[in-house]
Amino acid sequence: QLQLQESGPGLVKPSETLSLTCTVSGGSISSSNYYWGWIRQPPGKGLEWIGSIYYTGSTYYNPSLKSRVTISIDTSKNQFSLNLSAMTAADTAVFYCASQPGGNSWSWGQGTLVTVSS
Amino acid sequence: NFMLTQPHSVSESPGKTVTISCTGSSGSIASNYVQWFQQRPGSAPTTVLYDNNERPSGVPDRFSGSIDSSSNSASLTISGLKTEDEADYYCHSYDSNYHGVFGGGTKLTVL
Repeated sequence: QLQLQESGPGLVKPSETLSLTCTVSGGSISSSNYYWGWIRQPPGKGLEWIGSIYYTGSTYYNPSLKSRVTISIDTSKNQFSLNLSAMTAADTAVFYCASQPGGNSWSWGQGTLVTVSS
Repeated sequence: NFMLTQPHSVSESPGKTVTISCTGSSGSIASNYVQWFQQRPGSAPTTVLYDNNERPSGVPDRFSGSIDSSSNSASLTISGLKTEDEADYYCHSYDSNYHGVFGGGTKLTVL
């Protein structure tokens, strides 16, 4: 059973870049047919898909965030990461990482709250 | 932009059956698989259905899914409702460029 764990700062200043890492255990991040994704949820609101990455490095980004998002993968550490630049208060949210395997069930991390405030 | 529309809320009594719809704004919802997620307050989402109608291990067969091409909709049906089913439910699929899209979520109240 895959387990995912987000890590990163809980507080970011406006205009700064958020960097989060998702550590995968219980399986290899290089597994074929697996995409690895980031999703966020502002307080009291719904889920928003940020983007995903394949183990080969191919990426797919939400068009509304594309100019600010970078997702990368480190197969040697079994981790993938999210960078979101030019943060504003509107980016305050719980950020989740998730595995998105073709033909199988998604697994989710527990989520990490990121607050944007000076 | 491709969007998925869900009812904001539904309610039903224990033991009854409820269906939550997820309607695609354009294209064919049958073109890409639909997933359904359950989220209880203060918790991360969990998968209740993937690939339209497949249940992960541990999810009871009271949960089922379907696709209706005529209405461009996916549906999550929960039968034999239990109070523990009370949660927010989200559908998810992909647009034609493989960008993920979530529905706005449906709050299920079991009363």
